[in-house]
Amino acid sequence: EAQVTQNPRYLITVTGKKLTVTCSQNMNHEYMSWYRQDPGLGLRQIYYSMNVEVTDKGDVPEGYKVSRKEKRNFPLILESPSPNQTSLYFCASSSDRGLRALHFGNGTRLTVT
Amino acid sequence: GDSVTQMEGPVTLSEEAFLTINCTYTATGYPSLFWYVQYPGEGLQLLLKATKADDKGSNKGFEATYRKETTSFHLEKGSVQVSDSAVYFCALSDLPGNNRLAFGKGNQVVVIP
Repeated sequence: EAQVTQNPRYLITVTGKKLTVTCSQNMNHEYMSWYRQDPGLGLRQIYYSMNVEVTDKGDVPEGYKVSRKEKRNFPLILESPSPNQTSLYFCASSSDRGLRALHFGNGTRLTVT
Repeated sequence: GDSVTQMEGPVTLSEEAFLTINCTYTATGYPSLFWYVQYPGEGLQLLLKATKADDKGSNKGFEATYRKETTSFHLEKGSVQVSDSAVYFCALSDLPGNNRLAFGKGNQVVVIP
């Protein structure tokens, strides 16, 4: 089954403790992206990647890192999480540079205390 | 920059009622327009799309027409069901050169039996 898999689904952590949210897609998509969803703000893009070793900042990249060493994986790294990064995070991928169809994972709900 | 504006506030309506969710956009080029739906506890799914002016996207009884003269892409459904309860996001992708989707803030739709 074609899918985007994020792990974990839920994560509670403390300020300053490094964490990684994994994202993997099995559709051989070139494009991958991370979003955060917050009440009243909708979805905002954090980082995206057009292909292996090609990443770029989205609208809200501060406090996040990403890497794209393999086509299928696009982990999101929070080196020193802070409470304002408490949010619902989504990974997405697309085969189409025109982004005519994004495939989303089921989300990771992160709480930073 | 490119942006999408959705009508404010949740939408509550009775089963079999007519649904309209307004979406207007600002873009410098010739965007593709999308509606995504998010069911509870899930990621976003593409509902429908339109890639040029006057195109009509349709799926699952939902329709939206790309209106360049009014820069709008309003979502409509003639007779909603309880299973249509979800959050609906309008989005645009503006090419060339823009490697991301710009999302609206979303509208929560609640359909009451």
